[in-house]
Amino acid sequence: DVVMTQTPLSSPVTLGQPASISCRSSQSLVHSDGNTYLSWVQQRPGQPPRLLIYKISNRFSGVPDRFSGSGAGTDFTLKISRVEADDVGIYYCMQATQYPWTFGQGTKVDIK
Amino acid sequence: QVQLQESGPGLVKPSGTLSLTCAVSGGSIISSYWWGWVRQSPGKGLEWIGEVYHSGSTHYNAALKSRVTMSLDTSKNHFSLRLNSVTAADTAIYYCARALYGDYHYLDYWGQGILVTVSS
Repeated sequence: DVVMTQTPLSSPVTLGQPASISCRSSQSLVHSDGNTYLSWVQQRPGQPPRLLIYKISNRFSGVPDRFSGSGAGTDFTLKISRVEADDVGIYYCMQATQYPWTFGQGTKVDIK
Repeated sequence: QVQLQESGPGLVKPSGTLSLTCAVSGGSIISSYWWGWVRQSPGKGLEWIGEVYHSGSTHYNAALKSRVTMSLDTSKNHFSLRLNSVTAADTAIYYCARALYGDYHYLDYWGQGILVTVSS
């Protein structure tokens, strides 16, 4: 299985300041079709996961543009340009290039 | 807007069978989407269990494959998960979710989740 490793595991952030989360995969996530199927999901407290970003850098419908994704191969990053109170929660990277789909262990974002 | 809602027993005895259903509203399960299950436990985080297509095709996580069965009921627009020979390690919140392949490969809509506890 592809192992997804996120850093940091916890990220206290001041409101209005940026936050950055890294995700590294144990194998390249480039699919045989040339695409890289790396997503980011957000889980607010008491809520189910919600899709934010797919294929490294594409924002899903309705996701604010303060969220952005980047990376290639095995190294990926989620950035929040200016953290808002609504952004508190746990963020997971997920790979869907190879079965079984696997998730990172999660990064908790909260307000200082 | 598609909505998914899990239902089923919240308590299952060890060695028993966990059976859950996910009702889909706002869209048909006979579509280009796959319909999947993900669980979340404190010890293992988020774990993809598998998915089913309206043709009956399935993909299962190899770690659970010997115990998992997924199916659909197109007349009721819902799909189901069965996990047999459960142990305490299967205690988790179970989510159903919609998956899209093609140029996407993502899980775009999730149910609210249902907590299933395995205990005697």
